[in-house]
Amino acid sequence: DAGVIQSPRHEVTEMGQEVTLRCKPISGHDYLFWYRQTMMRGLELLIYFNNNVPIDDSGMPEDRFSAKMPNASFSTLKIQPSEPRDSAVYFCASSPRGEDTEAFFGQGTRLTVV
Amino acid sequence: AQSVAQPEDQVNVAEGNPLTVKCTYSVSGNPYLFWYVQYPNRGLQFLLKYITGDNLVKGSYGFEAEFNKSQTSFHLKKPSALVSDSALYFCAVSGGSYIPTFGRGTSLIVHP
Repeated sequence: DAGVIQSPRHEVTEMGQEVTLRCKPISGHDYLFWYRQTMMRGLELLIYFNNNVPIDDSGMPEDRFSAKMPNASFSTLKIQPSEPRDSAVYFCASSPRGEDTEAFFGQGTRLTVV
Repeated sequence: AQSVAQPEDQVNVAEGNPLTVKCTYSVSGNPYLFWYVQYPNRGLQFLLKYITGDNLVKGSYGFEAEFNKSQTSFHLKKPSALVSDSALYFCAVSGGSYIPTFGRGTSLIVHP
């Protein structure tokens, strides 16, 4: 397996524009996580899915953020409208099952909102 | 609630010397503990984990970690540091809830 695949790797957009980040998890993994990493706040869990169902989105900062997982092989994180404070590295990760298994991270999307 | 503390933002060590990156945790129930490494412009990579059994866990790249239940610690160690070990290291815990909780990370700098 190629691992967790995220696209794009880099995104630069203007404030107010819609941004969509994409993730393909490892086949067979039941859990998918979206994280945001910044210098100030470290690694924050935004939302996670189990078998394509969103379980906990309490980490999503505002209604401007939304995430979907229409099938087991694809997830999106959308920001609309984007703001400069959304600038960060966004990671997608997947894991095969429950709490005793490690997560496999994608390479991240570096988002810059100007 | 579960939490992880990495008390050092940065650890400096000379190449060839032993290294320790500290982690303490708080969780209700039995802890599952993990270490990850992040190289620049990359995602986190799994290094090792403690689930049950032997308190000394061995992982990738010569790293090991010791689970200490009485001190609620899970420190990462390596007998002889390499310059290429320089990276950001994250400790994580789950067990109280499925969602893994990550520490803020410790930057390891190995000097030649």
